[in-house]
Amino acid sequence: QKEVEQDPGPLSVPEGAIVSLNCTYSNSAFQYFMWYRQYSRKGPELLMYTYSSGNKEDGRFTAQVDKSSKYISLFIRDSQPSDSATYLCASSGDAGGTSYGKLTFGQGTILTVHP
Amino acid sequence: NAGVTQTPKFQVLKTGQSMTLQCAQDMNHEYMSWYRQDPGMGLRLIHYSVGAGITDQGEVPNGYNVSRSTTEDFPLRLLSAAPSQTSVYFCASSYGVPLMEQFFGPGTRLTVL
Repeated sequence: QKEVEQDPGPLSVPEGAIVSLNCTYSNSAFQYFMWYRQYSRKGPELLMYTYSSGNKEDGRFTAQVDKSSKYISLFIRDSQPSDSATYLCASSGDAGGTSYGKLTFGQGTILTVHP
Repeated sequence: NAGVTQTPKFQVLKTGQSMTLQCAQDMNHEYMSWYRQDPGMGLRLIHYSVGAGITDQGEVPNGYNVSRSTTEDFPLRLLSAAPSQTSVYFCASSYGVPLMEQFFGPGTRLTVL
């Protein structure tokens, strides 16, 4: 079983919809949680990151971490066709732990936003 | 800045052949890493380096070698290619740890026949 699990989808939504992307993780040492976006045939690029539990908002995007349930979420409001991409969650641990300095990625969710 | 560059973009190998995937960055980043991306598996860490002269294994290191003689370059060597190594390979770099933001290259698509 992977340390970070993500539903690969694919997920197809109409333009303007609210999108919810989710991951679960099993390693209690994970403290850093990131979302990367990957367009077709490109390298991933960082979208957002959070440390420990809580919410973080950036424009139409909100990242949420619930450490008690080991659940990571990304919400996209007013989704646009340009949001169509693969979204990857990733986690890493604190200094002193074996997962420090290494990112563990989920499988990625393919999202299509159609006009 | 060119960022992270990878060569070649595409490569086809026969089983048993060896080759080197090149990765370079011009951002003076200390940390560099190699991932492979397979359908349904996400990105898996192969090897990483926290600075020139220092490398370590990731999740799937078997069949691959790395070295880091300069800050800028981090080549990945396939010793004896196997069909199971057919994948898309990404190189990434970041300023330090923890890895808040890794900058990824455009990838190398490798097919092993």
